[in-house]
Amino acid sequence: AQKITQTQPGMFVQEKEAVTLDCTYDTSDQSYGLFWYKQPSSGEMIFLIYQGSYDEQNATEGRYSLNFQKARKSANLVISASQLGDSAMYFCAMRERTGANNLFFGTGTRLTVIP
Amino acid sequence: DGGITQSPKYLFRKEGQNVTLSCEQNLNHDAMYWYRQDPGQGLRLIYYSQIVNDFQKGDIAEGYSVSREKKESFPLTVTSAQKNPTAFYLCASSIGRLAANTEAFFGQGTRLTVV
Repeated sequence: AQKITQTQPGMFVQEKEAVTLDCTYDTSDQSYGLFWYKQPSSGEMIFLIYQGSYDEQNATEGRYSLNFQKARKSANLVISASQLGDSAMYFCAMRERTGANNLFFGTGTRLTVIP
Repeated sequence: DGGITQSPKYLFRKEGQNVTLSCEQNLNHDAMYWYRQDPGQGLRLIYYSQIVNDFQKGDIAEGYSVSREKKESFPLTVTSAQKNPTAFYLCASSIGRLAANTEAFFGQGTRLTVV
């Protein structure tokens, strides 16, 4: 079974609007971490935001926030006030506390910001 | 500056040849990872290493080999047994196991093309 599912291959958003990128996950661990990364066309992976499974508050980092719904096993990324530079691939990832502690990635969502 | 350095950025290989991709980190991280990314797809784990002189196969290890003789270095060899090696390869590191709340840091990637 897929540990991370991103169902939106591509998304469009108007500049200055907000956009939500979906992510659902599957784990039997009680302790885990959820991450979002941005990959511009240059290829490097840029860490954006982290949410721990025990965190009660939704994580926020500047214009990025993570809508964490534990019961639904979802960890959606919200980007507010979109900018042209936000156009990129976005990946959701999860690290489990048990086992080998590896980082599992989804297939990504390509976001295009329209001027 | 601390970070992860991958080299070369672009690599061309003739069929039947082995090639080695370099990954060096000066972050003092215990864990290192190699991922493969195909066009329009997410990242798939090839190999990972939690400590020096130890490494484990990921989801797609066939046709690849690694070594971890030093904490700072985790080279990946793409052997002739890898049937479809053309891809983008990303190296990452993180503090290590038992740290579910730590993100992974990525290198700039190596784009390998078989000619």
